[in-house]
Parts: sequence; C-alpha cells; structure tokens
Amino acid sequence: GAVVSQHPSWVICKSGTSVKIECRSLDFQATTMFWYRQFPKQSLMLMATSNEGSKATYEQGVEKDKFLINHASLTLSTLTVTSAHPEDSSFYICSALPIQGSYEQYFGPGTRLTVT
Amino acid sequence: GDSVTQMEGPVTLSEEAFLTINCTYTATGYPSLFWYVQYPGEGLQLLLKATKADDKGSNKGFEATYRKETTSFHLEKGSVQVSDSAVYFCALKRDYKLSFGAGTTVTVRA
Repeated sequence: GAVVSQHPSWVICKSGTSVKIECRSLDFQATTMFWYRQFPKQSLMLMATSNEGSKATYEQGVEKDKFLINHASLTLSTLTVTSAHPEDSSFYICSALPIQGSYEQYFGPGTRLTVT
Repeated sequence: GDSVTQMEGPVTLSEEAFLTINCTYTATGYPSLFWYVQYPGEGLQLLLKATKADDKGSNKGFEATYRKETTSFHLEKGSVQVSDSAVYFCALKRDYKLSFGAGTTVTVRA
C-alpha cells in the first residue's frame, strides 16, 4: 500500500516550451503533496507544498509563476514547468501525505527533466 | 535554518561487511530524524526514524540513535547484503517539512 506514481518518468523538451509532471497517490487520499527538486549529487530541496483545493505554498526562492502547481483532487497534483530553460533540467520528486494513518510522506519515483 | 550533512559516497562494500553512514544536523529545538532509502527505479522509502533524543530507530537490521549532544544520527548495519545496495538519505522533519542530506550511494558486492 501507500504507492505514489509520477508521470512521465523521463521527459526531454525544447527550451521555451512547458512540461507538465503528474503525481498520483494510487491507494490513498492526500490533501497535502510536496514537490522536491534534486540536482546531481545534491540533496532534495523542497520547492512547494501543494494543498488540495487551495493555492500551493512555495519555498523562498522558488518562482511560483515558473513552477505552476495544481492539486485538483485528493489523489493528483501536477507541476508545470513553464517556458523551460536548460537550467531547469533536474530530477523532480513528489511526495504525498495521507489523510489518515501515519504522518509520514510517501514518495514517488521521480521525473527526470532535460531541457535542450 | 535546518540542514543535514551526511557522509559523501559512493561506498562500496563486500557482503557481510559492517556499514556506517554518518549524518549530522543543524537545527533549533528537537526535530524528528529519519533515514530514507531509495532502491533503483523506486521512490524514497522510510527506513527508520527517531523522534526524540536517545531514541533508537531500527528496521531491517539497520539502526540509528538520535544523539543530541553530538547532533548526529549515524546509520549502521552489522552485516550488509547485496540487496542493501541503494541510496540512503538522512533527513530531519519540522512540522511536515523534510530537510534532506545529499544522499550516500551504497553498493554491496557479493
């Protein structure tokens, strides 16, 4: 149980285009999901907290107009990287906090974004 | 702010060897401490945790003790297996936010 999926697992896009990454909790509901970014050999950095039915809360230094987050249902949050540039290339990981049960986050496998 | 520093890898071991991955943290107050493991192609999984000083978390033969005096939470396993090959992340939690170390890649050879 407590599985989180991400789609796509790997995406290449051209500079200036937008790309959407989905994060789904498959067997539980989550009012709160988190989006992280990971650079090679570096730690996961929290980008934003996604709350179902309300606006996401962004960490300091994260451009909310560039990284659009939509948490439209209790099982789905999306991250859209708008007008992507090569410096946005990274590994994006989401996690979900179940409504019931433990207070621990369950993580997706991540999405590798490469902007050319 | 909160931060976590863990031993750089990669670490390569033979089966049945002893594994230690050092982790220290900087934080105000008393956050909860965690070790997560990421197997190839999978998401991070909670390995063990400790919520207060002197607590010992343990799971699958791994152990870590919350040491307030040294602000450390070192991960240990007495006899590793090939299946323990993974990336290990130390983390601390304040409210619902996790702060991670950089991760340590461990490879166990048969």
